[in-house]
Amino acid sequence: DTGVSQDPRHKITKRGQNVTFRCDPISEHNRLYWYRQTLGQGPEFLTYFQNEAQLEKSRLLSDRFSAERPKGSFSTLEIQRTEQGDSAMYLCASSVLTGRTYNEQFFGPGTRLTVL
Amino acid sequence: AQSVTQLGSHVSVSEGALVLLRCNYSSSVPPYLFWYVQYPNQGLQLLLKYTTGATLVKGINGFEAEFKKSETSFHLTKPSAHMSDAAEYFCAVSDMNRDDKIIFGKGTRLHILP
Repeated sequence: DTGVSQDPRHKITKRGQNVTFRCDPISEHNRLYWYRQTLGQGPEFLTYFQNEAQLEKSRLLSDRFSAERPKGSFSTLEIQRTEQGDSAMYLCASSVLTGRTYNEQFFGPGTRLTVL
Repeated sequence: AQSVTQLGSHVSVSEGALVLLRCNYSSSVPPYLFWYVQYPNQGLQLLLKYTTGATLVKGINGFEAEFKKSETSFHLTKPSAHMSDAAEYFCAVSDMNRDDKIIFGKGTRLHILP
């Protein structure tokens, strides 16, 4: 399978614990995005990378959240001191920046986080 | 700023009937428009997109949508519903000048009645 992969698929944690999610984009995709999807809502943009550079962060991304893409390949999203409100599906997507005006984002299956 | 409104969080149609999922958008610049489908415990799959050119766009699984600028709409249709179409559908918009951020609607869950 050469699509976007995310690990773990499910994570249950207690409030106050730290969690880290991983996203492996499609090979050679230089853009990588993180979205959060809460119950009954559409995905909301969190942040995105072009290669290893983090180019934009949403206001939704509080200082408890940090994302990295150290070598321009896989990315990690860490949540420190988790709160019950962090319970959501965290989606990763990737795309390849080309000279075309539109570059499709391909989504992974997501990591479902439950904070007890 | 851009936004998307999907009318109806749940829509039920009989198998073989017409599917119509409504979407209206708001954008201060020419938009890119999308429909995504999400099956349970799976990621999002792109059904179809409008970027430029023909306003009637055809997607996978027999779905199509028409961009109507005057009505700021991008409704999704399928002539004949199939049981396998039961899923959550998201309308989305992005800025044609910067396709790096997609703004999604809240979604419409499509139920197919036998």
